[in-house]
Amino acid sequence: EAGVVQSPRYKIIEKKQPVAFWCNPISGHNTLYWYRQNLGQGPELLIRYENEEAVDDSQLPKDRFSAERLKGVDSTLKIQPAELGDSAVYLCASSFGPSTEAFFGQGTRLTVV
Amino acid sequence: AQKVTQAQTEISVVEKEDVTLDCVYETRDTTYYLFWYKQPPSGELVFLIRRNSFDEQNEISGRYSWNFQKSTSSFNFTITASQVVDSAVYFCALKAGGTSYGKLTFGQGTILTVHP
Repeated sequence: EAGVVQSPRYKIIEKKQPVAFWCNPISGHNTLYWYRQNLGQGPELLIRYENEEAVDDSQLPKDRFSAERLKGVDSTLKIQPAELGDSAVYLCASSFGPSTEAFFGQGTRLTVV
Repeated sequence: AQKVTQAQTEISVVEKEDVTLDCVYETRDTTYYLFWYKQPPSGELVFLIRRNSFDEQNEISGRYSWNFQKSTSSFNFTITASQVVDSAVYFCALKAGGTSYGKLTFGQGTILTVHP
């Protein structure tokens, strides 16, 4: 069974440029998460979806970040415009339901210069 | 609000030593789930175990064992006879109910280095 797939793996952009990350969750998983992990820290939740609905986006900086999950499957996370402080690893995860374990993709390492 | 604390930032051991990683959690919910993840140098978070709040039985899986104690809000992880391949960052995490049902909150992680 395929795991969570994320692309790209690495991205280097100049500040003020836009960037987008894509995630394909495990088939049948209704819950999808986007996390940001800064160096030396634990992952922090940005947004959580149950099917197509964003049920927790309280930590998403909505002035520059946006996300969507069309048809309750794939998801895209966008940053526009990027700032130097956005440099981090962006992790996508999915789980069968809200109480079950989440499985993570390999992440996208974003560097903003 | 829910919170996970991993007091040990870094642990260094020599191969074959036993090592215990501590995890303390906070939640006001009576139903919750605890997890441990491993993050090797490759970066991907690997799921190790899930434990629900109603099941306080300790679990053993090969060289790994987990000690869940509700009385002290702890969910500690022990590696017996550590190996170099165990070197990684280990994260404890919590999913609680209430208004945050489904939210997975991580601790800061413990860097484990096993020397040959």
